[in-house]
Amino acid sequence: SQTIHQWPATLVQPVGSPLSLECTVEGTSNPNLYWYRQAAGRGLQLLFYSVGIGQISSEVPQNLSASRPQDRQFILSSKKLLLSDSGFYLCAWSRLGLANTGELFFGEGSRLTVL
Amino acid sequence: DQQVKQNSPSLSVQEGRISILNCDYTNSMFDYFLWYKKYPAEGPTFLISISSIKDKNEDGRFTVFLNKSAKHLSLHIVPSQPGDSAVYFCAASAGDMRFGAGTRLTVKP
Repeated sequence: SQTIHQWPATLVQPVGSPLSLECTVEGTSNPNLYWYRQAAGRGLQLLFYSVGIGQISSEVPQNLSASRPQDRQFILSSKKLLLSDSGFYLCAWSRLGLANTGELFFGEGSRLTVL
Repeated sequence: DQQVKQNSPSLSVQEGRISILNCDYTNSMFDYFLWYKKYPAEGPTFLISISSIKDKNEDGRFTVFLNKSAKHLSLHIVPSQPGDSAVYFCAASAGDMRFGAGTRLTVKP
């Protein structure tokens, strides 16, 4: 069976510090990978998606970046965090080729608080 | 650009009654619609979906209705149970998935 894990679950960081959230998927190959953010009072906002190693698409201009160094690894990063980066970050995967009709499988989420 | 809108941030229902969660969308290219359920501090989990070629899909206590002319879909839960208390996200897809802001459902015993 397929599993997805992301960490850390909770993170408190000062403004201006770097960020690294990691996500791994097991039990499947060539997944589409996604980073979403849920901010207070808002829906899930798509930040990045990837259809393969080294292939990253960004949905919105922002202070964050993403990388996919391996097929089943997706990393969300920032060099200098802003207060507005606070939120609940979710990694997700979907089956390649079924991205438009298949469901997304989400990780447990990472709560980031920037102080 | 909110292509998927859930205008009710919260809904409270008595146990045993029907819960109706609503969702509106603007992009007529969406061809697949989904509902996700989310508990605090957890990732959302898939609940039920419907293709744009259908107007109803039922799975146990959960039914999703799609009205393409009105660009509206709804999730019906009947009977509602306290364990249904969660945030429900509507999502729509036309290649990638867009989510609404969510509706927090509280089912009171």
